[in-house]
Amino acid sequence: DSGVTQTPKHLITATGQRVTLRCSPRSGDLSVYWYQQSLDQGLQFLIQYYNGEERAKGNILERFSAQQFPDLHSELNLSSLELGDSALYFCASSSQGGTEAFFGQGTRLTVV
Amino acid sequence: AQSVTQLGSHVSVSEGALVLLRCNYSSSVPPYLFWYVQYPNQGLQLLLKYTTGATLVKGINGFEAEFKKSETSFHLTKPSAHMSDAAEYFCALRGGSTLGRLYFGRGTQLTVWP
Repeated sequence: DSGVTQTPKHLITATGQRVTLRCSPRSGDLSVYWYQQSLDQGLQFLIQYYNGEERAKGNILERFSAQQFPDLHSELNLSSLELGDSALYFCASSSQGGTEAFFGQGTRLTVV
Repeated sequence: AQSVTQLGSHVSVSEGALVLLRCNYSSSVPPYLFWYVQYPNQGLQLLLKYTTGATLVKGINGFEAEFKKSETSFHLTKPSAHMSDAAEYFCALRGGSTLGRLYFGRGTQLTVWP
């Protein structure tokens, strides 16, 4: 158990819909990262938050947004969903003094 | 710029044979390097990491990796494969900051035959 919790584990939704994925980082970790894993793109970095502030942005679509709340949990919002958004979405967290990132179990999103 | 290349998307070995998974990197700053393992329907678990110091690093489950700056490589090895090692392995790089994002390779699927 990495200590990073993601909910839900599975999500099936229709095209055009909006979903919210939730992540609780390890206790004390201020930094949260979101990654998308798909067969054709591999593991793609989406966005990073540090202590509530956006710190880095990767290949995140404009239809996607994220935030980190005062209690440090984070949410990834995906809207106007397309079939191609079907993927495994991972959240990871790091501590300021640490070097590695700890990953959650992921949320498998299926858009039908 | 940072990037990671894993040579070989699929590797098959017999149980008891040597496992060698190849990873080359490109980084404009001294890198932190990682190997993660992903079992089916699970998240990524850290196998081992290189930050500074000793270039041969040991990880969990008998795996080890050697950082070779001159070859920009960080290959993963295990002397004797076990059936339970079958999984997907990802090499990753973090450059410039301990809080920076990870750059991942495309992954190598390891199959272990009995």
